[in-house]
Amino acid sequence: GAVVSQHPSWVICKSGTSVKIECRSLDFQATTMFWYRQFPKQSLMLMATSNEGSKATYEQGVEKDKFLINHASLTLSTLTVTSAHPEDSSFYICSAPGQSGTEAFFGQGTRLTVV
Amino acid sequence: GEDVEQSLFLSVREGDSSVINCTYTDSSSTYLYWYKQEPGAGLQLLTYIFSNMDMKQDQRLTVLLNKKDKHLSLRIADTQTGDSAIYFCAESIEGNTPLVFGKGTRLSVIA
Repeated sequence: GAVVSQHPSWVICKSGTSVKIECRSLDFQATTMFWYRQFPKQSLMLMATSNEGSKATYEQGVEKDKFLINHASLTLSTLTVTSAHPEDSSFYICSAPGQSGTEAFFGQGTRLTVV
Repeated sequence: GEDVEQSLFLSVREGDSSVINCTYTDSSSTYLYWYKQEPGAGLQLLTYIFSNMDMKQDQRLTVLLNKKDKHLSLRIADTQTGDSAIYFCAESIEGNTPLVFGKGTRLSVIA
């Protein structure tokens, strides 16, 4: 099946710094990718929809200036957490719809810890 | 709005069957999914079912859908310790739309 690769799988950063997370579709093109966030013992919540060649759309309550999304090619979307704070510590995971239109393929996720 | 509900915990003995239940509110849901998440890992798609189906079986997994009641269940036959994980129910309107997830059911398998 299709593969979505997410990198890094975990990262620890200091408060105030920025962290970039990459999401790649390895063997298919993804004009759309979704970014989710999962806090401990919570479900996955959609943060934003990344669209190739255009601006991302953000869910209510998600700060677009803090969570920068760039989808510059058909196989790569990046999420940059700017000026990270400890409350941004979470599990971030991306997904891309498969070409068949029935499945969503998820990356491995990135566990971000801000200290 | 969209809402997906699951019970939070389930504990079964090894070798028994596990049944994880899920209810959803969006009647326009077309695809219903079950994902497995092991500790510290990403999501693994176990199976999915179209809304026009009643049942789907894949080896030890059986998915039942009652569209009228908006109720979905996942049955795992002969549950093994390796099945211990969090199981997420999710729905989407179309295959290329974002998924709405339940909070996940933590399955504990007792040897």
